[in-house]
Amino acid sequence: KQEVTQIPAALSVPEGENLVLNCSFTDSAIYNLQWFRQDPGKGLTSLLLIQSSQREQTSGRLNASLDKSSGRSTLYIAASQPGDSATYLCAPEGDSNYQLIWGAGTKLIIKP
Amino acid sequence: DTEVTQTPKHLVMGMTNKKSLKCEQHMGHRAMYWYKQKAKKPPELMFVYSYEKLSINESVPSRFSPECPNSSLLNLHLHALQPEDSALYLCASTPDQTAGYGYTFGSGTRLTVV
Repeated sequence: KQEVTQIPAALSVPEGENLVLNCSFTDSAIYNLQWFRQDPGKGLTSLLLIQSSQREQTSGRLNASLDKSSGRSTLYIAASQPGDSATYLCAPEGDSNYQLIWGAGTKLIIKP
Repeated sequence: DTEVTQTPKHLVMGMTNKKSLKCEQHMGHRAMYWYKQKAKKPPELMFVYSYEKLSINESVPSRFSPECPNSSLLNLHLHALQPEDSALYLCASTPDQTAGYGYTFGSGTRLTVV
């Protein structure tokens, strides 16, 4: 059974810092991995989708990497801003049932 | 149109009420999903509609009833809910349940059962 762990559970840093959020998964048989952002009480916004054949994806200040064999993904946020404050969730998609398995999320607070 | 639209955004209902949540997408996606999310927890899959075939998470109680009138619209009918059913209900879609092209989520319906 796939298990997803996100570290740290919470992070509070001053504005401007570069950050790394970590996601590990126990079953490397995944189709892809998706990073989402969730603001309090709101829906999920897709940030980056990495196919299992890819090593990384970039969008603006965000960069996500995937090491499928070691069961790890990282989300790198450059030059953090207060507007980046949210909960970040990673979700690999199983290649047998094509369903998302969720981590518990990292709650990020960027202080002005 | 690259969005999943959910209505209403907020809903308060009594335990004897019948209400419905609506989810719509016009991206041509053939798979749609209902998730339930409690505070500070990740989403839990409730139902999947893919090519007009329903898959159910067997732990979901029968007071939740999905309906898919067409490939763009997914409803969730609610009847005789309990206070513990209060949660954020999220709808999502993918091009195909087996395509692995990523999920698009709606903004959710905040449901409160009183």
